[in-house]
Parts: sequence; C-alpha cells; structure tokens
Amino acid sequence: GAGVSQTPSNKVTEKGKYVELRCDPISGHTALYWYRQSLGQGPEFLIYFQGTGAADDSGLPNDRFFAVRPEGSVSTLKIQRTERGDSAVYLCASSPQTSGGSGEQFFGPGTRLTVL
Amino acid sequence: TQLLEQSPQFLSIQEGENLTVYCNSSSVFSSLQWYRQEPGEGPVLLVTVVTGGEVKKLKRLTFQFGDARKDSSLHITAAQPGDTGLYLCAGKNYKLSFGAGTTVTVRA
Repeated sequence: GAGVSQTPSNKVTEKGKYVELRCDPISGHTALYWYRQSLGQGPEFLIYFQGTGAADDSGLPNDRFFAVRPEGSVSTLKIQRTERGDSAVYLCASSPQTSGGSGEQFFGPGTRLTVL
Repeated sequence: TQLLEQSPQFLSIQEGENLTVYCNSSSVFSSLQWYRQEPGEGPVLLVTVVTGGEVKKLKRLTFQFGDARKDSSLHITAAQPGDTGLYLCAGKNYKLSFGAGTTVTVRA
C-alpha cells in the first residue's frame, strides 16, 4: 500500500517568506508526527497529532511555526517569516496507534526546505 | 540538545568486516529503537528493544540493550555495501528522541 507522502520534496524560499509543507499519512493512521532534521543531526520532534488535535506541540521552536490537521488525515506545517536557520529536512511520520504511543511510526521522505 | 549520544559519528570499513555502533542515553525510555536512513528518504525502523539485557538478531545485525536500559549497541557481521547508510537510535515515549546518528560506509 501507499506509504507516507510529503509535498513538495524540495522548497526554496527567501528569508521572510511564508511556507506550507504538506503530509499525507498512511490511510487509517490516527497519529501523526512532524520532525525536523538539520544537516548532520538526527530528527528532532516538533509536534504530535492524535486525530485532529495537537496532543503535544512542545517541540515547535517558536510561534512562527504552526501545524494543522483539520480532518484528522492530511496535515500542513506552516512557517511564517522564514529564517535561514529554518533550513532543514522536515519529516512527517504516521502511526496506527490510538493511544499509549506503542505503534510503529512510518516516515515519509521529507521536504527539504532551503531559506536563502 | 539530544538526549542520546551515538558513537562513532562516522565509520568506513571494507566489505566483509564487522562493525559496532553505540548509543548511550541520559534517560530511560519505554523502549529504544534503531533506524536506518538513506539519502533522500525517511528513517526505517530496524528493531525495538524493551527489556534490559535483551538481545535481538536480524540476519547479520545484532542489537543489544544494556541492563540499565540506557545503552545499546548495533553489531553488523560481514558488512556489505548495501549496509551503507545513517544508523539512528531513538528513545521512545510515544514521541521519538533521536541521537545524531552514525554514518556507515561499506566499501566494495
């Protein structure tokens, strides 16, 4: 079956611009996660959705970052007033878990964001 | 700041040699996982270890979890070029806390 898909695969923008990154999880997966991976580092947690609600947004670095999942499926990560330090690969993962966090997370290929 | 430290950062070996990568955590998680990531792709789960002292084998890969559930190792026997990739360990409490990874290169 289809895995997690992310669009666009690459995004180049200028400092100060607004960007949206999209994640299509595996059908039926109730949990969705966003991570950010900087060059030479492992992924860092940003936000976790259980259904439509953000169950944990403690990893969002500041209020320029926001994510939504209005229908409990597709999620969009939104970054306002982008800065060069936002350049990274943004990874999305989904999981079939309903609670407790025991389900395996399946990752998408990521969106590589470059802020010039 | 990453809670999990991996070593070495880079490892380059000849095909047929063995290798070991290490992961040490400052915290205890509900489980510890190992992932492999290739360029342009997301991490793919290799194994989950839960119990202190646990040993799991996956073909030529052997995973060990320390008794205190804070350290783990991944050993690859007779490495092949297809084993090349970034190996990540992650502590799991619903969300994942990753180490910085070990880049493994196996030369033919």
